[in-house]
Amino acid sequence: DVKVTQSSRYLVKRTGEKVFLECVQDMDHENMFWYRQDPGLGLRLIYFSYDVKMKEKGDIPEGYSVSREKKERFSLILESASTNQTSMYLCASSVLATPPYEQYFGPGTRLTVT
Amino acid sequence: QKEVEQDPGPLSVPEGAIVSLNCTYSNSAFQYFMWYRQYSRKGPELLMYTYSSGNKEDGRFTAQVDKSSKYISLFIRDSQPSDSATYLCARNTQGGSEKLVFGKGTKLTVNP
Repeated sequence: DVKVTQSSRYLVKRTGEKVFLECVQDMDHENMFWYRQDPGLGLRLIYFSYDVKMKEKGDIPEGYSVSREKKERFSLILESASTNQTSMYLCASSVLATPPYEQYFGPGTRLTVT
Repeated sequence: QKEVEQDPGPLSVPEGAIVSLNCTYSNSAFQYFMWYRQYSRKGPELLMYTYSSGNKEDGRFTAQVDKSSKYISLFIRDSQPSDSATYLCARNTQGGSEKLVFGKGTKLTVNP
């Protein structure tokens, strides 16, 4: 079974703090993704990585950065957390170039910025 | 222009009902259409996918794609309380990209 794990289920941070969200997958997938999920807005892609040290901006990259130093690990960084970044953050992974491009999701991190 | 539109619901049905969940899409240059199911406080997981127009069945679930009208549907027969979840439609992006585009999700509650 593919397993995608995220470092925290719940996180509370203060405005202005630097926040790290970690994601690890154990199936040697090339692709990894970070989404945020908000009521009424659905899943929105923040960043995508298709290889170690490679990244591509998604639909809403502002205020976020990512790091992928190892194939199995993809980190999302909030440089200076703001209250509008309060959200559910979901990490996913998928196999490179393999239809139907199924993505496997982690359980999510609910981040609250106060 | 949002590329996948999905009625967010919520939808509440009695146990045993037939459920119909629907999405529309705006660009016909895509190959795979998917339905993900997301239980409360969990990540989404792939339920079914279809490649072309027509139906695909898996037990009580049927996925249907009508490319002429750009309509994606998921039917659930004999719905159960365990089917209560949010259902998200998705499609792969143009050119066979690894990225997926998701609808906003429809929250379904099946009442015993």
